[in-house]
Amino acid sequence: DAGVTQSPTHLIKTRGQQVTLRCSPISGHKSVSWYQQVLGQGPQFIFQYYEKEERGRGNFPDRFSARQFPNYSSELNVNALLLGDSALYLCASSLLTGSVNEQYFGPGTRLTVT
Amino acid sequence: EDKVVQSPLSLVVHEGDTVTLNCSYEVTNFRSLLWYKQEKKAPTFLFMLTSSGIEKKSGRLSSILDKKELSSILNITATQTGDSAIYLCAVHYYTGANSKLTFGKGITLSVRP
Repeated sequence: DAGVTQSPTHLIKTRGQQVTLRCSPISGHKSVSWYQQVLGQGPQFIFQYYEKEERGRGNFPDRFSARQFPNYSSELNVNALLLGDSALYLCASSLLTGSVNEQYFGPGTRLTVT
Repeated sequence: EDKVVQSPLSLVVHEGDTVTLNCSYEVTNFRSLLWYKQEKKAPTFLFMLTSSGIEKKSGRLSSILDKKELSSILNITATQTGDSAIYLCAVHYYTGANSKLTFGKGITLSVRP
């Protein structure tokens, strides 16, 4: 079975641009969470979606938004990119909203903002 | 403020050594504490701890939670070069109707041959 997939693997953007990152959860998983991991730090929680509804939001500005589609895949959008948005963006999926121990991480998208 | 603090931030050991990694937390409505290993990109799950004093064990790795001290340790015995990684501690807790998973900064372990 395929694990969590994310696309693209890497991308480079310029300050002020907008970016969309994509995540496909493990088949049957209904919950998707997004994390930002800056070099030298642990992952920071951005959003959680379950059954297409937002179930949690971290301390990120409104430039960050996300959505979940009927097939449970998800997109993370970041507007007006700043240099500080450069990070590894991780997506994790789980069967249920509270099953964090069964949360499987994708390989991440490495975003570089220049 | 930091809700999850890991120590040390990095350490270097030789193969065969035993290491102890520390994690302390300060949250309300605690639900569980989790340990992950991150080698290149995706963190992989190691343990989830919910009850104090009950050791979880998997091969050479073991972990225990102390809810009174609000801390956990991850032990690795007879370390191997393949244990070189970043070890992340995360705490799952309730925030109103929802819950959050907050990670520490991670501990970088380097095992030399």
